[in-house]
Amino acid sequence: GAVVSQHPSWVICKSGTSVKIECRSLDFQATTMFWYRQFPKQSLMLMATSNEGSKATYEQGVEKDKFLINHASLTLSTLTVTSAHPEDSSFYICSARVAGVWNIQYFGAGTRLSVL
Amino acid sequence: KQEVTQIPAALSVPEGENLVLNCSFTDSAIYNLQWFRQDPGKGLTSLLLIQSSQREQTSGRLNASLDKSSGRSTLYIAASQPGDSATYLCAVAGNTPLVFGKGTRLSVIA
Repeated sequence: GAVVSQHPSWVICKSGTSVKIECRSLDFQATTMFWYRQFPKQSLMLMATSNEGSKATYEQGVEKDKFLINHASLTLSTLTVTSAHPEDSSFYICSARVAGVWNIQYFGAGTRLSVL
Repeated sequence: KQEVTQIPAALSVPEGENLVLNCSFTDSAIYNLQWFRQDPGKGLTSLLLIQSSQREQTSGRLNASLDKSSGRSTLYIAASQPGDSATYLCAVAGNTPLVFGKGTRLSVIA
């Protein structure tokens, strides 16, 4: 149980284009999902917290207009990297909390974004 | 603000050796602590989760301990194998989403 599916696993795009990453909870309802970013040989840094049906909360230094987060249902959150640039190349990982079990997060397999 | 530190940053050991990875955190008001494994270019694999009321958890050759009052956790790996080579991340859960350390990159040499 508690499986989080993240898609795509790897994406290459041209500079200036937008990329959408999906995060789905397959067998549970996730009222809260999180998006992390990991640069090479660095740790995971929280970008934003998204709650179903409301606006995402972004961490300091994360541009909300660049990283659009939508959490329209209890099983799906999306992260759109708008007008991507090479410096946005990174590993993006989502995680989800089971509704009512707030201190345990389940992680997707991550998406490697390469912007040319 | 919670900060998580892992020492050492990298470790290389010969196969068969027992080893200890260290994790420390600044705010002892945590609910649980997790150890993850991450292979290069891959996602996270949860290894052990210790609730704040627990002192240790064991899974196979892995044993994790938690001393909440001193803000420390250790991950003990017995009889290391080349397949254990990976980055090990420590993360703590409090009133915020999981906060991660930078990890320890482990290489087990055959």
